[in-house]
Amino acid sequence: GEDVEQSLFLSVREGDSSVINCTYTDSSSTYLYWYKQEPGAGLQLLTYIFSNMDMKQDQRLTVLLNKKDKHLSLRIADTQTGDSAIYFCAERGDDKIIFGKGTRLHILP
Amino acid sequence: DTGVSQDPRHKITKRGQNVTFRCDPISEHNRLYWYRQTLGQGPEFLTYFQNEAQLEKSRLLSDRFSAERPKGSFSTLEIQRTEQGDSAMYLCAITGMNTEAFFGQGTRLTVV
Repeated sequence: GEDVEQSLFLSVREGDSSVINCTYTDSSSTYLYWYKQEPGAGLQLLTYIFSNMDMKQDQRLTVLLNKKDKHLSLRIADTQTGDSAIYFCAERGDDKIIFGKGTRLHILP
Repeated sequence: DTGVSQDPRHKITKRGQNVTFRCDPISEHNRLYWYRQTLGQGPEFLTYFQNEAQLEKSRLLSDRFSAERPKGSFSTLEIQRTEQGDSAMYLCAITGMNTEAFFGQGTRLTVV
């Protein structure tokens, strides 16, 4: 069945770049999403990429997609304290959206 | 504003009671999804609708759960005879015409 895997934790110093990685299994995925969730809040859509794209950049965010390896990454440049949150990778084929368990990003001073 | 409104935001209920949650899409959309999220986990798919039609239901959706979307706009999720294991955040999402998927703020259910 479909599955999305992410590492659970990442610690980064303020000002450095954060790279959050994700792998998925569904080769028919058409859209891949990154969401941010702060404590007690809902899911905020950060960015998404079509499966026929390799890269997408949006201000401090860069998404890289390696479709052959089914690997997705989110790079956050100049990481700030406000970036501290849980980041979810999700993939969508023809029907439902499948989420990973999330990566908790911790910012070191 | 994500274009999805959920009500209530919080619900505390006694075990065995029935509860109903509502999801109101504000933005133009294509599909409507329900997810459940427990602490430390990612959202788990429950069901989705395209217009009024419920197209898929997860095995997580036991007989005590029912979702409806009578007029193809708002949706309700009912849980009958609630159990403590039903305590979770229940999230509604829509996929827009441009493929983005937006979530509401969720309804946090606590069964005591």
